[in-house]
Amino acid sequence: GAGVSQSPRYKVAKRGQDVALRCDPISGHVSLFWYQQALGQGPEFLTYFQNEAQLDKSGLPSDRFFAERPEGSVSTLKIQRTQQEDSAVYLCASSRIGGTTYEQYFGPGTRLTVT
Amino acid sequence: GQQVMQIPQYQHVQEGEDFTTYCNSSTTLSNIQWYKQRPGGHPVFLIQLVKSGEVKKQKRLTFQFGEAKKNSSLHITATQTTDVGTYFCAGPSQGGSEKLVFGKGTKLTVNP
Repeated sequence: GAGVSQSPRYKVAKRGQDVALRCDPISGHVSLFWYQQALGQGPEFLTYFQNEAQLDKSGLPSDRFFAERPEGSVSTLKIQRTQQEDSAVYLCASSRIGGTTYEQYFGPGTRLTVT
Repeated sequence: GQQVMQIPQYQHVQEGEDFTTYCNSSTTLSNIQWYKQRPGGHPVFLIQLVKSGEVKKQKRLTFQFGEAKKNSSLHITATQTTDVGTYFCAGPSQGGSEKLVFGKGTKLTVNP
């Protein structure tokens, strides 16, 4: 079946622009996670949803970052007034079971470059 | 805050040699997961260990979870060029969240 998909795969934004990154999880997966991965580093947690509820947003670096999953399926990560330090790969992952740590299926990521 | 540390950061081996990466958590973990990320790719789940002292094998890969549930290791026997990539361990955050805390990974390169 289809895996997790993300769009766009690459995004170049001028500093100060707003961007929106989309994640389509595996159908039926309850939990959805967003991570930020800098070059040579491990994925850093940003936020996660169980269905449409955002249960943890402790990793969002600032109030410029906002995520939503209004119908419990597709999710969007929005970054307002992008800064150069926002340049990274943004990974989305989904998990079949909610309420416990379970294997996560990652999408290919969106590489964001802020110039 | 909770930290997950991995050593070594890099490992270069000749094809056929063995490889081991070690993972240490600052807190006791309920479980630990391992992921592999190929160059230019995304993390792919390998395994989850839950029990103290657990050992699991996947062909040439052997995973161990320490008795105190604070450390883990991944051992690859007779590496192949297909083993190239970065191996990450990840543990659940304290407090019952589904959030995973990833280590920085061990990047493995294999010389054919």
